[in-house]
Amino acid sequence: GENVEQHPSTLSVQEGDSAVIKCTYSDSASNYFPWYKQELGKGPQLIIDIRSNVGEKKDQRIAVTLNKTAKHFSLHITETQPEDSAVYFCAAPKTVNNNDMRFGAGTRLTVKP
Amino acid sequence: EPEVTQTPSHQVTQMGQEVILRCVPISNHLYFYWYRQILGQKVEFLVSFYNNEISEKSEIFDDQFSVERPDGSNFTLKIRSTKLEDSAMYFCASSWMGINEKLFFGSGTQLSVL
Repeated sequence: GENVEQHPSTLSVQEGDSAVIKCTYSDSASNYFPWYKQELGKGPQLIIDIRSNVGEKKDQRIAVTLNKTAKHFSLHITETQPEDSAVYFCAAPKTVNNNDMRFGAGTRLTVKP
Repeated sequence: EPEVTQTPSHQVTQMGQEVILRCVPISNHLYFYWYRQILGQKVEFLVSFYNNEISEKSEIFDDQFSVERPDGSNFTLKIRSTKLEDSAMYFCASSWMGINEKLFFGSGTQLSVL
């Protein structure tokens, strides 16, 4: 089954700087990698996802890159804003084509104005 | 955007008591899930439900847990005899398809077992 490791556990950046969060996974057959943002008192909300047939996907200030050889994927947030402050989780399915999502331990991002 | 709603937002119970957590998934979604998050820890999968039966469950989802879709809109998680270690935030989620699809999470029910 899938094991997802996420780093760093906390990240503090100045407003306007970029933030990068990395995850590694264990199952080379995994094919779907979402990122969720969790604000205080709320459930996780999907912000971007990538499938294994592409290496990068971008949505405005957010991008995700996937390196299948190295089995890692990363979240990139550019021009960070205070409202980006939240806990970010990466995830991958337990096994291929399985709806048991395994989450990373989370990264608490703080954007200082 | 449509939302998954969960009730109650907080539930306090005594150890050994039964609790039922309730969820209303998004109306045209076909797959339903329960996840839990112990304070400060990662989000953990409990169970997925499709076509009125469990499709996947984790090691956490033992005989003390059960799920039900009693009518066309509600999806419930029952814990038969709560333990202290069941204290956590429980999230309901739903998705249109079951594989490699966006999960829509509710805001959670904070369960405290005393």
